[in-house]
Amino acid sequence: GAGVSQTPSNKVTEKGKYVELRCDPISGHTALYWYRQSLGQGPEFLIYFQGTGAADDSGLPNDRFFAVRPEGSVSTLKIQRTERGDSAVYLCASSLSAGGYNEQFFGPGTRLTVL
Amino acid sequence: EDKVVQSPLSLVVHEGDTVTLNCSYEVTNFRSLLWYKQEKKAPTFLFMLTSSGIEKKSGRLSSILDKKELSSILNITATQTGDSAIYLCAVERGSTLGRLYFGRGTQLTVWP
Repeated sequence: GAGVSQTPSNKVTEKGKYVELRCDPISGHTALYWYRQSLGQGPEFLIYFQGTGAADDSGLPNDRFFAVRPEGSVSTLKIQRTERGDSAVYLCASSLSAGGYNEQFFGPGTRLTVL
Repeated sequence: EDKVVQSPLSLVVHEGDTVTLNCSYEVTNFRSLLWYKQEKKAPTFLFMLTSSGIEKKSGRLSSILDKKELSSILNITATQTGDSAIYLCAVERGSTLGRLYFGRGTQLTVWP
């Protein structure tokens, strides 16, 4: 595609529910990143994939958060037992690869609201 | 603890003014510094800086890195209302390739 796309654009859920957020990177980009941005803050790193494998998942806040990229393209961020503190904009980015001074291109984000 | 600090946090100017946004960083194993513009939700890439003293320029925007002072500035000349946005600074470390450490951003508002 022309750019990084994310679905849904908005998601409202109730505390305790499970949610999945999807990211479709730019075609040909092997690296994919997830960030979370709370109001008034800069994006905070969660996890990144090089191909199908998670190269760095040290930003995931706890074991309720999990992400997959089974075919090296689309990625899904999964959040179990959502809490009100999970409310934020979840941004996905992709780049040609990690480590080659390649800029990251961001998608429009998914605004998650946990009631 | 690694830190990226931007100043000012917000700035209001009139069209035609020139602005300078600041970013300072304290990270180990510095690799690159990036500037992004964020309108609504998606940050869009502006510049990547890796070497000290070399200015990068794109139209009315320019940026330079000072590795000795551990800082960078982003200049915008002849500001327009379309420049209103949050400007984000991010740093990449060589030991954690791919992972960007962002500052809180500078909210720039340009009045007509």
